[in-house]
Amino acid sequence: KNEVEQSPQNLTAQEGEFITINCSYSVGISALHWLQQHPGGGIVSLFMLSSGKKKHGRLIATINIQEKHSSLHITASHPRDSAVYICAVRGDGGSQGNLIFGKGTKLSVKP
Amino acid sequence: KAGVTQTPRYLIKTRGQQVTLSCSPISGHRSVSWYQQTPGQGLQFLFEYFSETQRNKGNFPGRFSGRQFSNSRSEMNVSTLELGDSALYLCASSFTGFGGTDTQYFGPGTRLTVL
Repeated sequence: KNEVEQSPQNLTAQEGEFITINCSYSVGISALHWLQQHPGGGIVSLFMLSSGKKKHGRLIATINIQEKHSSLHITASHPRDSAVYICAVRGDGGSQGNLIFGKGTKLSVKP
Repeated sequence: KAGVTQTPRYLIKTRGQQVTLSCSPISGHRSVSWYQQTPGQGLQFLFEYFSETQRNKGNFPGRFSGRQFSNSRSEMNVSTLELGDSALYLCASSFTGFGGTDTQYFGPGTRLTVL
């Protein structure tokens, strides 16, 4: 079983829909990151979370440390949101804590 | 401010050869991290350098190595290339590193094909 699991693997939505992508992890972490990768490979770091909730524009990320779960929400989705969304965690093993990535969620937003 | 640059962007090598990839971070950033991305394994962490010191290392064989220079530019080297090393290699820079609270900025990647 992977240490970081994302769901769903693929998601198709209509423009304007509210979208939720989930990330569950099984290790102790010091931080969780949400990344966005567009076709062609470019990656953008969206959020870094260690607790609570963060919001940036139409994007909201939450984390529940006790349940080892994070969600990324997109409100009023738009075709330009089409991308792969990747959850990554940094283990809490001090300076030796490795970075572990989920397999990604491929989002396609139709106009 | 210029973004993270990686050279070369595309590379074709044959099995057994070695390769060196270069990453220039955003000016002022002291941390550079390297990642390998393949269709089967997804993104995997290779190593992280901060102020010329390797601060963290992923689970890759010793054929994968890296270094960081005093100007924060970083190189990674893969020796004795195998077919499975074909991947997109990404680097990212930040002020304090992935475990910190600042944003990581990714480069466009180097697409390595091993024949």
